[in-house]
Amino acid sequence: DGGITQSPKYLFRKEGQNVTLSCEQNLNHDAMYWYRQDPGQGLRLIYYSQIVNDFQKGDIAEGYSVSREKKESFPLTVTSAQKNPTAFYLCASAGTSNQPQHFGDGTRLSIL
Amino acid sequence: SQKIEQNSEALNIQEGKTATLTCNYTNYSPAYLQWYRQDPGRGPVFLLLIRENEKEKRKERLKVTFDTTLKQSLFHITASQPADSATYLCALDNQGGKLIFGQGTELSVKP
Repeated sequence: DGGITQSPKYLFRKEGQNVTLSCEQNLNHDAMYWYRQDPGQGLRLIYYSQIVNDFQKGDIAEGYSVSREKKESFPLTVTSAQKNPTAFYLCASAGTSNQPQHFGDGTRLSIL
Repeated sequence: SQKIEQNSEALNIQEGKTATLTCNYTNYSPAYLQWYRQDPGRGPVFLLLIRENEKEKRKERLKVTFDTTLKQSLFHITASQPADSATYLCALDNQGGKLIFGQGTELSVKP
């Protein structure tokens, strides 16, 4: 059953701590994306990758980092430099960058 | 400045009626526009894509129009059902393979 899996569903972070959100897809898609969604707002692009070993900053990349070492995996690290990390994080993939995106079911990150 | 805007107020309609959602944009020249459905606590699900040279696209009870002169897309759900209740997001391409999303419109269909 093809799809995109995000884990964990809920994540808690202490002040000054880095946390990594997992995103795995078995759709054989080249492009992968990370978005942040805050209440009542649209999705804002954090980072995206159109091919393995390459990624670009989105509109709100500060305080975040990513890697794309494998086609199926695109983990996002929320660093301690991100001062307002509480949000719903969504990962998506697409066959190519101009095709519809398939989304995971998100990770909700909260600060303890 | 560049903006993409959807109805910020929730839309409440009666079952069986047609729901119409609006997406307006300024200072973009998208080659295509997409509509997604999002349920609470879930990721968006793709519904329809319409290209700049297409006026209208249909899929079952869904219809999307795209007017590049008015810089507007309309999303219609005919014969609406309570199961159609969700938040609907429009998104346009901003070149370079990136999508820009509107803030979404919450639709509630009452039986």
